[in-house]
Amino acid sequence: EIVLTQSPGTLSLSPGDRATLSCRASQSVNYKYLAWYQQKPGQAPRLLMFGASIRATGIPDRFSGSGSGTDFTLTISRLESEDFAVYFCQQYGSLPWSFGQGTRLEI
Amino acid sequence: QVHLVQSGAEVKRPGASVIISCEASGYTLTNHYMHWVRLAPGQRLEWMGIISPSGTTTYAPKFQGRVTMTRDTSTSTVYMELNSLRSEDTAVYSCATGMDSSGYYYYHYWGQGTLVTVSS
Repeated sequence: EIVLTQSPGTLSLSPGDRATLSCRASQSVNYKYLAWYQQKPGQAPRLLMFGASIRATGIPDRFSGSGSGTDFTLTISRLESEDFAVYFCQQYGSLPWSFGQGTRLEI
Repeated sequence: QVHLVQSGAEVKRPGASVIISCEASGYTLTNHYMHWVRLAPGQRLEWMGIISPSGTTTYAPKFQGRVTMTRDTSTSTVYMELNSLRSEDTAVYSCATGMDSSGYYYYHYWGQGTLVTVSS
């Protein structure tokens, strides 16, 4: 099973800042099959990115994803107040699918 | 719009079984994949398995032999049964799916989650 490790655990930033979140895999993720989700308290996760760098429908272009192999990054170019949440990655290149432990983005 | 509504919280004794349902609206089970994942306290999300549009199931090795996923297409409901419960199975269990064939891989829609507490 591929283990995904996210860093940092918590990221403290201000609105307008740039956020860089990392997701590192214990082995190569096939075909860049990596997704990112955002989750706010009491809400279901929201799909942000798939295929490592493809924005899901309705996701603002301040969100971008990159990476391949074992190293992936989610970047939020200019933080807005609604972006403060928990972010987690998921690999779907090798069964069983697996998830990162999450990064909390706080003000 | 797709909505996934799960059954309510359960409290079970160790060794017992639990069945959780997930009713889908705005959605056809025979056209989509449905996954089950769980989140235990202090742990990361854990993928348990998937039921395909044809009803074929694939389970994570960790749960193989203890989990069964089924569906009733007449009511658009999928079920997840977990047997031989132990305290480590205390978690919030969720169904999740995608909007099309991509639902085999990642999730646009999630159920609200069902808390299962295993305690003697």
